[in-house]
Amino acid sequence: DVKVTQSSRYLVKRTGEKVFLECVQDMDHENMFWYRQDPGLGLRLIYFSYDVKMKEKGDIPEGYSVSREKKERFSLILESASTNQTSMYLCASSPIGPFRAQHFGDGTRLSIL
Amino acid sequence: AQSVTQLDSQVPVFEEAPVELRCNYSSSVSVYLFWYVQYPNQGLQLLLKYLSGSTLVESINGFEAEFNKSQTSFHLRKPSVHISDTAEYFCACKPQGGSEKLVFGKGTKLTVNP
Repeated sequence: DVKVTQSSRYLVKRTGEKVFLECVQDMDHENMFWYRQDPGLGLRLIYFSYDVKMKEKGDIPEGYSVSREKKERFSLILESASTNQTSMYLCASSPIGPFRAQHFGDGTRLSIL
Repeated sequence: AQSVTQLDSQVPVFEEAPVELRCNYSSSVSVYLFWYVQYPNQGLQLLLKYLSGSTLVESINGFEAEFNKSQTSFHLRKPSVHISDTAEYFCACKPQGGSEKLVFGKGTKLTVNP
């Protein structure tokens, strides 16, 4: 079974802090994704990576950056956290091929105070 | 560009009743279609997918979805729901031969009451 592991289930940070959310997958998938999930808004794509060191902006990249130095690890970075970034963050991975499904981690619930 | 509309944000039903969760998509090209389920405090899990062939697809836990090209729909159904089906359900699509990115609907929260 594919395992996508997010480093924290719950995280509390302060406004202005630099925040790192880590995601690791164990199935050698080329694609990795970061989403944000908010009530009534569904899932919104923040960033997408299709290979090591390659990234593509999603629908809401502002205030975020990403890093993919190794194939199995995809990090989401909040450069200077703000209260409007309080949300559930979901990481996913998939093999190449649009017919391939994405596999999700359990999410990180991030609160910015 | 693609878009997905889930017509109901919340669907309450009684245990053992049938349920239909509606999903419509918009796309200028052919798409692959997916239903994901999210149980409380968990990530999303793939429930079923339509790639090609038979328009009726089934999951292992009794859900089924039917692809209707003329109505651009991919509604999810179950003839008899259980309390354990309480979850949020997301419909999603991807263009064939195109982007690797999924386009999600906003989700339907299914609550099964005793």
